[in-house]
Amino acid sequence: DAKTTQPNSMESNEEEPVHLPCNHSTISGTDYIHWYRQLPSQGPEYVIHGLTSNVNNRMASLAIAEDRKSSTLILHRATLRDAAVYYCILRVRGSQGNLIFGKGTKLSVKP
Amino acid sequence: DTAVSQTPKYLVTQMGNDKSIKCEQNLGHDTMYWYKQDSKKFLKIMFSYNNKELIINETVPNRFSPKSPDKAHLNLHINSLELGDSAVYFCASSQDMGRAAEAFFGQGTRLTVV
Repeated sequence: DAKTTQPNSMESNEEEPVHLPCNHSTISGTDYIHWYRQLPSQGPEYVIHGLTSNVNNRMASLAIAEDRKSSTLILHRATLRDAAVYYCILRVRGSQGNLIFGKGTKLSVKP
Repeated sequence: DTAVSQTPKYLVTQMGNDKSIKCEQNLGHDTMYWYKQDSKKFLKIMFSYNNKELIINETVPNRFSPKSPDKAHLNLHINSLELGDSAVYFCASSQDMGRAAEAFFGQGTRLTVV
């Protein structure tokens, strides 16, 4: 699986949008971009995934650059509950096996 | 109902002991996993099972032995516990091997070896 690069940490204010970047310059055409998050003392939680087009779900939006070498997870209105480590993971479409987690971005949300 | 449940949530034990961690999923998934998160917070796969068959066995000491009595359960047994085994262990499941990226994780078991 191709490598991803994320900032170690980010801060946000409550009620404001948050844009979490991920660089994946070696992404291949069959790699899906997945985002997970891990709340304190919890297991990882699936957030969203996409291939080429931007994606929205009830938790977040995923904006994928046209060349697919980067993507951004968007939390539209951060809440205190969104404080977590966010992981950007690439997976080949339909590939089998485990997830490979990097260091992720630790998001702090200030009231 | 919790989708993926692990027991116990906390486990403190002495070096040399044998312990087990249980995991159950009620999602009807075919594939289950064990991940280890060390003190530096890195999450790494240990094992994956598909329909009760071992599929992935990363470089894990023989002291770790997973057992899957049925599709809904994947237990982790650890023999002769060592200090370095202290970590948080997560069980996870996915519908099948091809959907490993949409996995559901348990709450974790914090193992402390003293």
